[in-house]
Amino acid sequence: GQNIDQPTEMTATEGAIVQINCTYQTSGFNGLFWYQQHAGEAPTFLSYNVLDGLEEKGRFSSFLSRSKGYSYLLLKELQMKDSASYLCAVRPSWGKLQFGAGTQVVVTP
Amino acid sequence: DAGITQSPRHKVTETGTPVTLRCHQTENHRYMYWYRQDPGHGLRLIHYSYGVKDTDKGEVSDGYSVSRSKTEDFLLTLESATSSQTSVYFCATGTGQVLAGATDTQYFGPGTRLTVL
Repeated sequence: GQNIDQPTEMTATEGAIVQINCTYQTSGFNGLFWYQQHAGEAPTFLSYNVLDGLEEKGRFSSFLSRSKGYSYLLLKELQMKDSASYLCAVRPSWGKLQFGAGTQVVVTP
Repeated sequence: DAGITQSPRHKVTETGTPVTLRCHQTENHRYMYWYRQDPGHGLRLIHYSYGVKDTDKGEVSDGYSVSRSKTEDFLLTLESATSSQTSVYFCATGTGQVLAGATDTQYFGPGTRLTVL
């Protein structure tokens, strides 16, 4: 079956760095996505990895290791507005996404 | 972001009644999806469409049907709503591009909060 695991919750202080890990076991792999979702809102796209390595986009970076079935999302210089749920999603076959349950990040002053 | 709207945004209904949720997009995306989101489960795919009149089941399709008669509209119907279908429903769209370098990102609508009493 398909399995995507990420921690339920993480807490960090404003200005700090937080790393959200995601491990996956899927029947196929055609890319991994990270989405941000604020409470009561729609998920919004953050990053995409299909090849091994690090993708950097401003304060956010995402890393992928296909051989290990592992990704992480790194949030630097945390701001209060970064308090949200972060969703890891794998595309096992073209056109479909399989989501993890999400990691709630709480940023404290 | 894709122009995606959902209607209604909130609905309260009773067990056994039929319910239809509408998703409308203005981006001419080929793929459209319906997900439900419940605490502890994340987003789960109900049904998706890869073109007009072309649909397929997702992982939690029992009790749901869909229709797509136009590129821009994708309807989700609960034939006889049950309390277990109380959830937040999200529509998403994607290009389905298979060209090299295309990410085929899915973009989400604002969601519909459905309560079945």
